[in-house]
Amino acid sequence: NAGVTQTPKFQVLKTGQSMTLQCAQDMNHEYMSWYRQDPGMGLRLIHYSVGAGITDQGEVPNGYNVSRSTTEDFPLRLLSAAPSQTSVYFCASSYSGDSPLHFGNGTRLTVT
Amino acid sequence: AQRVTQPEKLLSVFKGAPVELKCNYSYSGSPELFWYVQYSRQRLQLLLRHISRESIKGFTADLNKGETSFHLKKPFAQEEDSAMYYCALSSSGGGNKLTFGTGTQLKVEL
Repeated sequence: NAGVTQTPKFQVLKTGQSMTLQCAQDMNHEYMSWYRQDPGMGLRLIHYSVGAGITDQGEVPNGYNVSRSTTEDFPLRLLSAAPSQTSVYFCASSYSGDSPLHFGNGTRLTVT
Repeated sequence: AQRVTQPEKLLSVFKGAPVELKCNYSYSGSPELFWYVQYSRQRLQLLLRHISRESIKGFTADLNKGETSFHLKKPFAQEEDSAMYYCALSSSGGGNKLTFGTGTQLKVEL
């Protein structure tokens, strides 16, 4: 049981490049979400999903797209990376809306 | 808008001393509050939530609606308590959409 797996662990992009941060969970959790963490700030919610086929925006959704075609996977797409998206990204899942979050190990992204 | 404030970036205490990590919140509804912890080289994990009223690893936290606080306390700090602690508030009534504070690094010295 791997829990929440994020890939890659580290990534460097140039401004304007696109990429997808992968997130997978093997706990059959309905709820999945993406957070970003910046220096001096708490984790901020980017997008979340309450089940396959359902996604919604969080606090800081601009510049990011998500989809949830399966229960297990919740990829985060950066269509045109910007330096302001340099951050550590965390994926999390929970069994239900009342359950605690299980976090991945994070992806450290640098955009130059 | 909801907000979580952790005024201390770093808290340093000696082993055996009491610990109090401060957390204040602003929220117009009925809050649900959590403490998450990240130990060195480990992933962020739930420490406790106020509705459970549990004591985890000797830590407790009481929700004070009058003072809008949810401070984390432990009577005797242990070396293994050294970690980053985040206070968080749920806007959805559950634990899956959270507003986090900026975190407090707790360092327990021998």
